[in-house]
Amino acid sequence: QQQVKQSPQSLIVQKGGISIINCAYENTAFDYFPWYQQFPGKGPALLIAIRPDVSEKKEGRFTISFNKSAKQFSLHIMDSQPGDSATYFCAARRGSARQLTFGSGTQLTVLP
Amino acid sequence: GAVVSQHPSWVICKSGTSVKIECRSLDFQATTMFWYRQFPKQSLMLMATSNEGSKATYEQGVEKDKFLINHASLTLSTLTVTSAHPEDSSFYICSVGQGASGNQPQHFGDGTRLSIL
Repeated sequence: QQQVKQSPQSLIVQKGGISIINCAYENTAFDYFPWYQQFPGKGPALLIAIRPDVSEKKEGRFTISFNKSAKQFSLHIMDSQPGDSATYFCAARRGSARQLTFGSGTQLTVLP
Repeated sequence: GAVVSQHPSWVICKSGTSVKIECRSLDFQATTMFWYRQFPKQSLMLMATSNEGSKATYEQGVEKDKFLINHASLTLSTLTVTSAHPEDSSFYICSVGQGASGNQPQHFGDGTRLSIL
């Protein structure tokens, strides 16, 4: 059972544009939602994370929007740059459990 | 700087060989570490949870006799792929959860690419 569904699978954006990646979850016990960025041959790096008590969190060009009632959250990358080209994973974690449940990933390509 | 160090970054070996991968927590003590496997263009799949001083907890479908985990200290966990075969070729990544409560970010190593000939 896939507990975190991520879309789209791939995304192509022009430089300066907005990249939007969406995730939906099923388990209402999840209470921590991080986004990771992964470059080829590297491990995932934490980008930004949110808890369900807030609807939005912004760090630089990266924003997470969270809709608790819809059980959805999304990553917005403003002013996308070619250096942002990578695979992005959403994830979720419940309560005191430490293991993360990952989405399927989105391969982002930002064209120069 | 890096929070988690993983070694080696790439290993190529013959079928039947056993391969050991090390994961070190550099900035803090970690009672729990996680081992993931990632196939090309796929997501990370949790293999097992490594617990310092006790047995690892394996996810369903992961052979514990195939993937031996040792977490002998608060900063080091090792994954040994025993009698590796071509189907074991994958990208193996460890992670460390910062903090004792679990409510802290999880940091990943840079992974080990394992290629079995």
